[in-house]
Amino acid sequence: EPEVTQTPSHQVTQMGQEVILRCVPISNHLYFYWYRQILGQKVEFLVSFYNNEISEKSEIFDDQFSVERPDGSNFTLKIRSTKLEDSAMYFCASSERGGGNYNSPLHFGNGTRLTVT
Amino acid sequence: AQKITQTQPGMFVQEKEAVTLDCTYDTSDPSYGLFWYKQPSSGEMIFLIYQGSYDQQNATEGRYSLNFQKARKSANLVISASQLGDSAMYFCAMREGWDAGGTSYGKLTFGQGTILTVHP
Repeated sequence: EPEVTQTPSHQVTQMGQEVILRCVPISNHLYFYWYRQILGQKVEFLVSFYNNEISEKSEIFDDQFSVERPDGSNFTLKIRSTKLEDSAMYFCASSERGGGNYNSPLHFGNGTRLTVT
Repeated sequence: AQKITQTQPGMFVQEKEAVTLDCTYDTSDPSYGLFWYKQPSSGEMIFLIYQGSYDQQNATEGRYSLNFQKARKSANLVISASQLGDSAMYFCAMREGWDAGGTSYGKLTFGQGTILTVHP
């Protein structure tokens, strides 16, 4: 069964450094998402991406964050200058349908655990 | 206001018994989907089951079923014949058809989660 893959599985970085989290969504999916989960807490929406542009973003997704689909397969989340509070699990997800098609599940990758020291 | 509420932070069940995990939701959109995901201790998010707002019958998927009560805005997950491997965090989530602005990009909104522990 096709799956969403994320790399790396664990990333440790120092405060102030830039990190890039990588994702390969399922190949025929058109809608892409990033979520984060601070340890043991709720899964929070960061951003959605469709047709090569951001379609929606949350208040968490400030100027320190950016997303990109540099080629036909990868989808990346960049954090420009990491803070301690960016430590979390980051999930990439993709969906075959979006828009008014509410009945299509999001398929999640296994996540990247980001630790900022 | 919370769109998805899971009021049970933790639940315990004996192996082979059934357990119900509660979920209530809030939306004014007539078109929406409700999803349950399982998150084991290894951290991945596994899609379990889906219920659409227009579906007449409750969804079932193997040992998972969804007790959908639209008037009460609840979508409880029922796990029958619990197994030790069912011990995990369970999230209820909603995907709305259209937001108040008339556009939708289909994000999922999650509840706080319920930790299920299955005892042998």
